[in-house]
Amino acid sequence: EDQVTQSPEALRLQEGESSSLNCSYTVSGLRGLFWYRQDPGKGPEFLFTLYSAGEEKEKERLKATLTKKESFLHITAPKPEDSATYLCAVQAGGYQKVTFGTGTKLQVIP
Amino acid sequence: DTEVTQTPKHLVMGMTNKKSLKCEQHMGHRAMYWYKQKAKKPPELMFVYSYEKLSINESVPSRFSPECPNSSLLNLHLHALQPEDSALYLCASSRQPGDNYEQYFGPGTRLTVT
Repeated sequence: EDQVTQSPEALRLQEGESSSLNCSYTVSGLRGLFWYRQDPGKGPEFLFTLYSAGEEKEKERLKATLTKKESFLHITAPKPEDSATYLCAVQAGGYQKVTFGTGTKLQVIP
Repeated sequence: DTEVTQTPKHLVMGMTNKKSLKCEQHMGHRAMYWYKQKAKKPPELMFVYSYEKLSINESVPSRFSPECPNSSLLNLHLHALQPEDSALYLCASSRQPGDNYEQYFGPGTRLTVT
């Protein structure tokens, strides 16, 4: 069965203090790994899709990377508006179902 | 435009009521999804529609009944719900069913069953 583990569960950063969130996965035949941001009481907002080991994608202060076993979401010089829960999800070959991790709740303090 | 809309935003219903949740997308996506999300948990897949046909039912109780009237609309009919069904119900869509296509989520309907 596909498994996705995110760490840490919660992260508190000072504004400007860079850090990384981890997503470890165990799937048979990874077809796509997705990163989402979710604000309280709202739907997840799509950030990135990564397809193969070595791939990297960037958007503003966020950079996502992928290896054969894990993905990292690097946050450079975060701002308070980056505070949210970040969800990782994986899709294995031949399936429509996406398996979500439990998320990392990020709080950025001014 | 990557917008998925959901109505209503909030719904309070009794255990004997019948209500419906509505989801709409105009991106030409051919896969649509219903998820249930409890507090501090990740979204949990309920149903998948591919080209307007139900392709996945994650063993959801029959008190939840999905319907896809056309390629842009997705409904979730609710009947005789239990208090433990209270949650955020999310709709999502993707360009195609199957691999590699990211899902775009709506804002959700906050359901409270009394």
